[in-house]
Amino acid sequence: DAGVIQSPRHEVTEMGQEVTLRCKPISGHNSLFWYRQTMMRGLELLIYFNNNVPIDDSGMPEDRFSAKMPNASFSTLKIQPSEPRDSAVYFCASTPRGPSNTGELFFGEGSRLTVL
Amino acid sequence: AQKVTQAQTEISVVEKEDVTLDCVYETRDTTYYLFWYKQPPSGELVFLIRRNSFDEQNEISGRYSWNFQKSTSSFNFTITASQVVDSAVYFCALSEENTGNQFYFGTGTSLTVIP
Repeated sequence: DAGVIQSPRHEVTEMGQEVTLRCKPISGHNSLFWYRQTMMRGLELLIYFNNNVPIDDSGMPEDRFSAKMPNASFSTLKIQPSEPRDSAVYFCASTPRGPSNTGELFFGEGSRLTVL
Repeated sequence: AQKVTQAQTEISVVEKEDVTLDCVYETRDTTYYLFWYKQPPSGELVFLIRRNSFDEQNEISGRYSWNFQKSTSSFNFTITASQVVDSAVYFCALSEENTGNQFYFGTGTSLTVIP
């Protein structure tokens, strides 16, 4: 069984450019999470979806960040315009959870973003 | 307020020593779940264990063991006879049933096992 698949694995871009990170959750998982990891702030939850619906986006830093989940097998995290402080590893994770079933998160390998 | 506290930022031990990683959590829910994840230098996040709030039994898996104590809101992780391959950042996490199953991660403990 394939795990959570993220792309790209590495992205180097210049300040001001648009960045789109992609995630394919594990088939059958109905919750999807986007995390950002930096040395300074550790693992931060940006947003999570249940059944393709955004539940909590309070962690999204600012309007430059947006996330979508158009269907159960695909999600995007977009940064427009990007800034150097957005440089981080972005993780996508999914879990097969219902309202009262809290299983572990399965993480993708991460997308390492560098904004110059 | 931090829901999961990992007070140890960095720990170094010599190979074959035992080491305990501390995790203290805060919740008002009666139903919650606790997790440990390992992040080796390669960067991926690897699930190690999940515990629910109704199961206080300690667990042992090979050289790994976990001590869950609700009385002190702690979920500590012990590695026995540490090995160089145990060098990683370890994260403790909490998920509460009443907050829409959101996960809260601690800041992690970086473990270095010296050969």
